[in-house]
Amino acid sequence: DMKVTQMPRYLIKRMGENVLLECGQDMSHETMYWYRQDPGLGLQLIYISYDVDSNSEGDIPKGYRVSRKKREHFSLILDSAKTNQTSVYFCASSWGTGQLYFGEGSKLTVL
Amino acid sequence: GDSVTQTEGPVTVSESESLIINCTYSATSIAYPNLFWYVRYPGEGLQLLLKVITAGQKGSSRGFEATYNKETTSFHLQKASVQESDSAVYYCALGNSGGSNYKLTFGKGTLLTVTP
Repeated sequence: DMKVTQMPRYLIKRMGENVLLECGQDMSHETMYWYRQDPGLGLQLIYISYDVDSNSEGDIPKGYRVSRKKREHFSLILDSAKTNQTSVYFCASSWGTGQLYFGEGSKLTVL
Repeated sequence: GDSVTQTEGPVTVSESESLIINCTYSATSIAYPNLFWYVRYPGEGLQLLLKVITAGQKGSSRGFEATYNKETTSFHLQKASVQESDSAVYYCALGNSGGSNYKLTFGKGTLLTVTP
């Protein structure tokens, strides 16, 4: 059905807590991405995964890690969340150098 | 690194008026990047509006057009007559079409509001 699904859509955490954002895609795309979007900054690339267990840092990886154990699933993990990680997080997937398909976003608030 | 600069919003246009959202790029990783416009409607994720991968070519979709101009490193988005349903955030993006390590670099986004 060509869909990227993000869970949860909304999340509130306290500083120091762990955060898990999950992303799934049903298109068997090799490449998956995590971006964050902040007002006035546009989308910033956190991590890219080129396939299972083949992950690469993006432009702002500090404070994040990722896991990809199945091609259709890509997780973003924040160990000990910080208030400056409050943001909207977008997952995307693509096949080769084609267009990116995006999820609807996960809004994270860290208090 | 690669970068994309686009019209700072918010932009407000009356229905049936014309629209142009400027986009210029700097590609250091590749000579001929792929260029994209994505759109994010309220409550939804980003979706591709149009894509051009060849310099000099024009892409079009839903009444929007953009021409890949390598001389001016620009990819401006235009529409002759906007509708209220065009209200959204528009993102210009550059793809480093170098095969491996492919990624998109986005501009900051332009919030467009079309008033009746």
